[in-house]
Amino acid sequence: GIQVEQSPPDLILQEGANSTLRCNFSDSVNNLQWFHQNPWGQLINLFYIPSGTKQNGRLSATTVATERYSLLYISSSQTTDSGVYFCAVVNGQGAQKLVFGQGTRLTINP
Amino acid sequence: KAGVTQTPRYLIKTRGQQVTLSCSPISGHRSVSWYQQTPGQGLQFLFEYFSETQRNKGNFPGRFSGRQFSNSRSEMNVSTLELGDSALYLCASSFLQGASEQYFGPGTRLTVT
Repeated sequence: GIQVEQSPPDLILQEGANSTLRCNFSDSVNNLQWFHQNPWGQLINLFYIPSGTKQNGRLSATTVATERYSLLYISSSQTTDSGVYFCAVVNGQGAQKLVFGQGTRLTINP
Repeated sequence: KAGVTQTPRYLIKTRGQQVTLSCSPISGHRSVSWYQQTPGQGLQFLFEYFSETQRNKGNFPGRFSGRQFSNSRSEMNVSTLELGDSALYLCASSFLQGASEQYFGPGTRLTVT
């Protein structure tokens, strides 16, 4: 099945810094979503972005489907941005289910 | 619009027992998917239901089952619980089957002792 790899696995930054999280996938996709998992476990939708670029406040995302990667940018980080960020894809060829990466744990220190 | 709701939020069971978890999707959404999250395996797909029919199934034993009702609410059942079933169980709903955007509920944290 499709493989999803996220990097880096851990990222520690100071408040105000910018960060880039990467998601590589091994096959064509017809769905790609970025989530932020809050401390209570709920997955919060950030972007639905199978291709192209989107922005929402301090966050933006770009997916280059032909090169099989997506990037999540966080600018001017705040302590509330801390948590685990997941990329998840639906394989364009196989079963229509979300396949998750292992996540990037982001820690923003004050 | 109300989000996805899951009940109960926390559950403690004993090995060998069975458990039923419930998920109510966003109003108008007809697809419900279930995922299991553990520290070792990460987030894994269990199954998807659309219009009361199971459409996709992950790689889990037959002890894990589910169903969907005519109002799109879904339940999953785990029989003969094992210690390894301790996990966060997340439910997601979407308007269409498969590739459309999925929205997750708060999860049910199951502990098996």
